[in-house]
Amino acid sequence: EAGVAQSPRYKIIEKRQSVAFWCNPISGHATLYWYQQILGQGPKLLIQFQNNGVVDDSQLPKDRFSAERLKGVDSTLKIQPAKLEDSAVYLCASSLTGDTEAFFGQGTRLTVV
Amino acid sequence: AQRVTQPEKLLSVFKGAPVELKCNYSYSGSPELFWYVQYSRQRLQLLLRHISRESIKGFTADLNKGETSFHLKKPFAQEEDSAMYYCALTNWGKLQFGAGTQVVVTP
Repeated sequence: EAGVAQSPRYKIIEKRQSVAFWCNPISGHATLYWYQQILGQGPKLLIQFQNNGVVDDSQLPKDRFSAERLKGVDSTLKIQPAKLEDSAVYLCASSLTGDTEAFFGQGTRLTVV
Repeated sequence: AQRVTQPEKLLSVFKGAPVELKCNYSYSGSPELFWYVQYSRQRLQLLLRHISRESIKGFTADLNKGETSFHLKKPFAQEEDSAMYYCALTNWGKLQFGAGTQVVVTP
């Protein structure tokens, strides 16, 4: 079945480098989420889109993180420059609307060395 | 501010024993609550939501507004229930998760 697709699955970069993650949500899903999951913690919402507009980005470290969802479909999350504490799994999820079940991708595991 | 608390990081139970995962929340309005599960090497997925009031894989959860709790229960744990469980609530579409409880079911 077609689910939420994310790439890459793994990424290792040095601190101060930049990195980008890509997400393709389930077709027709208006809401798209990016979460950061640090080891041993629950997923933390970074940014939420409704179509191509930002609904919530209150926990996005905007000095280094940016995200966009052009045309209201695919989305990219970028970190520039990366810090050691950015090491985490970055999860993308989508839902039909904000109040329906969220479907998650397999995540991108980022290691910053 | 809304918050989801899962007090147990790890729950170890024997096969066939009852299991209860605790979840407490703080939220001023009427929240919608969920339990998500992540099995080993699989993606995070919805287990159940309180509005559906259904039993999934033998699990049930009751919303107790007085105690602001949404505990997950299963009367007889199975080995395949070993996984990471996250309680979550949604507020105007913003889905917020607790820290998670690792459940290990031993034979």
